[in-house]
Amino acid sequence: QSALTQPASVSGSPGQSITISCTGTSSDVGGYNYVSWYQQHPGKAPKLMIYEVSNRPSGVPDRFSGSKSGNTASLTISGLQAEDEADYYCSSYTSSSTLHVVFGGGTKLTVL
Amino acid sequence: EVQLVESGGGLVQPGRSLRLSCAASGFTFDDYAMHWVRQAPGKGLEWVSGISWNSGSIGYADSVKGRFTISRDNAKNSLYLQMNSLRAEDTALYYCAKDPYDYWGQGTLVTVSS
Repeated sequence: QSALTQPASVSGSPGQSITISCTGTSSDVGGYNYVSWYQQHPGKAPKLMIYEVSNRPSGVPDRFSGSKSGNTASLTISGLQAEDEADYYCSSYTSSSTLHVVFGGGTKLTVL
Repeated sequence: EVQLVESGGGLVQPGRSLRLSCAASGFTFDDYAMHWVRQAPGKGLEWVSGISWNSGSIGYADSVKGRFTISRDNAKNSLYLQMNSLRAEDTALYYCAKDPYDYWGQGTLVTVSS
């Protein structure tokens, strides 16, 4: 149950686009279309931003998009806004069972 | 409005036990699997345990297997986590989350220290 690999930090200026990667294996990210992304502001609970690789829950701006290629999933945020500054985590189902989820180590997004 | 409210956290000595609870409201509790996820201070998220809607399927992270027990009471719309043989490395904010992680509680802090 090794954690998925994310970059520790990314940054961008307002209005720009950034992409956060999430690398796993064929036993998790590559094996299932059940990759999710979460946003977490300091002192707050995580918020679901993307589920099943590329679907947005109601209320999440369409500036947030997800994709996957092989064992790597990606979260893209376009038109960066100051309020997007937060920690972002990916997760994936694993081959252990449908209840087992593995998270990425998290990425700190800084809006310059 | 969906609400998940955790309780039961606190300061506990290594080797002792603690039972966390999560009270759910605003959705049909017995339609969904539920999960516990923890976050150590300044660290990332770690899935701890999950339970299917009818308790027929249960899973644990290797780090807690054999020490923690997840359960639910659908009549009370409640989720539980019995934590035994606690270690310092179990110190974390424990969140309950509704499957598919679309709703999270605010967490309850567990501190394991002598």
